[in-house]
Amino acid sequence: EVQLLESGGGLVQPGGSLRLSCAASGFTFTSYAMTWVRQAPGKGLEWVAAISGSGATPYYADSVRGRFTISRDNFKNILFLQMDRLGAEDTATYHCAKEGSVDILPGAVHDFWGQGTLVTVSS
Amino acid sequence: QSVLTQPPSVSGAPGQRVTISCTGSSSNIGAAYDVHWYQVVPGRAPKLLIHGNKNRPSGVPERFSGSKSGTSASLAITGLQAEDEADYYCQSYDSGLNAWLFGGGTKLTVL
Repeated sequence: EVQLLESGGGLVQPGGSLRLSCAASGFTFTSYAMTWVRQAPGKGLEWVAAISGSGATPYYADSVRGRFTISRDNFKNILFLQMDRLGAEDTATYHCAKEGSVDILPGAVHDFWGQGTLVTVSS
Repeated sequence: QSVLTQPPSVSGAPGQRVTISCTGSSSNIGAAYDVHWYQVVPGRAPKLLIHGNKNRPSGVPERFSGSKSGTSASLAITGLQAEDEADYYCQSYDSGLNAWLFGGGTKLTVL
């Protein structure tokens, strides 16, 4: 059974940093690309970042490029999202999701999701 | 304003059929990129309902079906059940933005 468990969320001041983790199990981690998707309170889903199965190829939404870094530890089966220079607009529940293939393709589909971890940016 | 446009809400009585539209453009749905649909219930992990425009993952009831034509896609739910009450999102890729986009979401209310 595929399981994705996010952690690392919490309250952070504007301009601060936070590192999210997503522990994966139930599938061969290196064989699948991974994605972060967020949902602000009362808002819709927003794709944030993605990374290929090898970790060599990251992709970012314009809203986070230059501030967020996606990475993965293929030995420990963990996906990360390093978030720097956080602003109020980054307040959201962050979900990690497994992709359906090892590479990030235009037709990429998020076939399994975690429940998410809440990040609140406020002073 | 989302690039992929969905109605904010739809509703139906138990047993009825509802459809949710997802309207895009020539740089996303119209460019032949696949459309996927997700069900989101507050407090739970989002769930993939339809992938590749019309394909149901294992375990998703046949009541859920997807279609695509031109620059639009649709999700149909037949035999509505109370448990179907949730938010539904379409998703596709946009070559102009070089990003994976979600529609604004549609809240389904089962009356």
